[in-house]
Amino acid sequence: QVQLVESGGGSVRPGGSLRLSCAASGFTFSDYYMSWIRQAPGKGLEWVSHITSSGYTTDYADSVQGRFTISRDNAKNSLYLQMNSLRAEDTAVYYCARDQRGFASFDIWGQGTIVTVSS
Amino acid sequence: QSVLTQPPSVSAAPGQKVTISCSGSSSNIGNNYVSWYQQLPGTAPKLLIYENNKRPSGIPDRFSGSKSGTSATLGITGLQTGDEADYYCVTWDRSLSAAVVFGGGTKLTVL
Repeated sequence: QVQLVESGGGSVRPGGSLRLSCAASGFTFSDYYMSWIRQAPGKGLEWVSHITSSGYTTDYADSVQGRFTISRDNAKNSLYLQMNSLRAEDTAVYYCARDQRGFASFDIWGQGTIVTVSS
Repeated sequence: QSVLTQPPSVSAAPGQKVTISCSGSSSNIGNNYVSWYQQLPGTAPKLLIYENNKRPSGIPDRFSGSKSGTSATLGITGLQTGDEADYYCVTWDRSLSAAVVFGGGTKLTVL
């Protein structure tokens, strides 16, 4: 069935790095824009980054610009988020999501992976 | 502070109707499609409405969306206890840096 499965979360100290992965299955991954969206404990949803179907165009929230890098490997049906210079405020559940029509309409979500940044 | 403004909470009795507003500006709602999401406790969000007023397959017609100018509204009729959740509006914001923006979320309580 159509699904997204995130992995790579964990605990890291401030200033550290993590790489999140999102494995897609059940659909033609290369046809869709993809995003990373996060949710800090007890807070609302925050869009983090977005990549077009080809991977040529990316966008980032101001809060992560210059620290996070989104990428994809269409041959492996996988989405990635490289997170560097992590801060305590990056602590959150990170979801990958499929944008069904490129208009921020996220129709498929993963279960989320938890990232904790703490000393 | 979210770019899109939603009421923090709304409540209504089972069987009643409720609306949740989402207020923005010309750089976001005014010139872009709005989508709405439901997030039940401890779960990933679920798409309820896309392109202002379209429902994905499987979403009951109790859920509706509309947009006027720089505001959007989610309507839920025939409230059920299972509708108790957080609801978020989302759109693109094409101001200084293109980005997807979420509303702050609205907690729906079914009394």
